[in-house]
Amino acid sequence: NAGVMQNPRHLVRRRGQEARLRCSPMKGHSHVYWYRQLPEEGLKFMVYLQKENIIDESGMPKERFSAEFPKEGPSILRIQQVVRGDSAAYFCASSPTVYLDTQYFGPGTRLTVL
Amino acid sequence: AQTVTQSQPEMSVQEAETVTLSCTYDTSESNYYLFWYKQPPSRQMILVIRQEAYKQQNATENRFSVNFQKAAKSFSLKISDSQLGDTAMYFCAFMTPQGGSEKLVFGKGTKLTVNP
Repeated sequence: NAGVMQNPRHLVRRRGQEARLRCSPMKGHSHVYWYRQLPEEGLKFMVYLQKENIIDESGMPKERFSAEFPKEGPSILRIQQVVRGDSAAYFCASSPTVYLDTQYFGPGTRLTVL
Repeated sequence: AQTVTQSQPEMSVQEAETVTLSCTYDTSESNYYLFWYKQPPSRQMILVIRQEAYKQQNATENRFSVNFQKAAKSFSLKISDSQLGDTAMYFCAFMTPQGGSEKLVFGKGTKLTVNP
């Protein structure tokens, strides 16, 4: 059973460009979480999605950030008009159920904004 | 608001010895889970151990065990017979159902170095 897949593993963007990060959950998992890790910090929750629904986006910045989890295909975290402060590692996690279940993490995408 | 505090930014231990990492948390919820995740230099987040709050018995996974003190809101991780591969950042995390969302709240981490 393949684990959580994320791509790309490394992404370099110039200020003002768009970044698209993809996450494929583990087989059988329908709940996806996105977290951001700034340098020397712990992970911070951004958004929780189920298929075709955003359940909790309380950790998402109000502007430039969006997320989706379509019926078919991976979950996408999209950052428009990136700024240097967006440089971080972005982790996706998935779980099979919603009630107090373990979240399994992907390898992360390291975004660098020049 | 739920918070997780790891008071030891860095620790070191000699190979084969035992080390304990501290974690405290703050919540008014009665039903929750606690986790320790390991992040080696590869940056992959690896689940080490989890503890359900309703269970009195401390969780163990091979060389890893926890000391869960619910009243004190303390959740420390003990690593026995430390190995070089245990060198990593260790994050304590807390999860509780809130409005249908079960996000993890992480501490800032403890950097553990195992010396040969």
